[in-house]
Amino acid sequence: DTAVSQTPKYLVTQMGNDKSIKCEQNLGHDTMYWYKQDSKKFLKIMFSYNNKELIINETVPNRFSPKSPDKAHLNLHINSLELGDSAVYFCASSLLGLAGATIEQYFGPGTRLTVT
Amino acid sequence: KQEVTQIPAALSVPEGENLVLNCSFTDSAIYNLQWFRQDPGKGLTSLLLIQSSQREQTSGRLNASLDKSSGRSTLYIAASQPGDSATYLCAVPNNAGNMLTFGGGTRLMVKP
Repeated sequence: DTAVSQTPKYLVTQMGNDKSIKCEQNLGHDTMYWYKQDSKKFLKIMFSYNNKELIINETVPNRFSPKSPDKAHLNLHINSLELGDSAVYFCASSLLGLAGATIEQYFGPGTRLTVT
Repeated sequence: KQEVTQIPAALSVPEGENLVLNCSFTDSAIYNLQWFRQDPGKGLTSLLLIQSSQREQTSGRLNASLDKSSGRSTLYIAASQPGDSATYLCAVPNNAGNMLTFGGGTRLMVKP
């Protein structure tokens, strides 16, 4: 029944490691997103994919590499993790309509990443 | 660049009060505005999406209004309950509709 799911829910790792977070949606949406919520609770867009194609990359370091094997999945791989990467990462999905169309985004439960 | 601000950052009220949360945005050329609720340690739940052509949207005890010309939206919560305690976020899409810009949120505590 879960609309947007993420795994793992918690991730604790050491600096310098490489880790991945997976996201899946069963809503039939064509667009998926990754957002980062920092310690001050600000939510910011990182990436947006439409039909497996990257459409937004908001000045995210190259250590972050999203991969979309199909429209229902958008995974986030992070290389050489740094302390500042500690945050909650949210996946979301929506239908990307024509400009002006309703674009209601649905969010996953989040992955709390702690880098020590 | 769109900027979204929410005031107040935190609010504590006794149960039963009616309250108003404010959201302002700098670029009034928006297509819609979405209000979310976030419980501690949880994801975001969409509460209301109000189209730019609408002035109000209601769901149960929640009522969202939108005034594009002044760059403002309010979320009105009637007869607040302890279960309403959460962080409330507003967000607006960019012109292409493919990303949301969020406000900083209002952390609401409703005391029994």
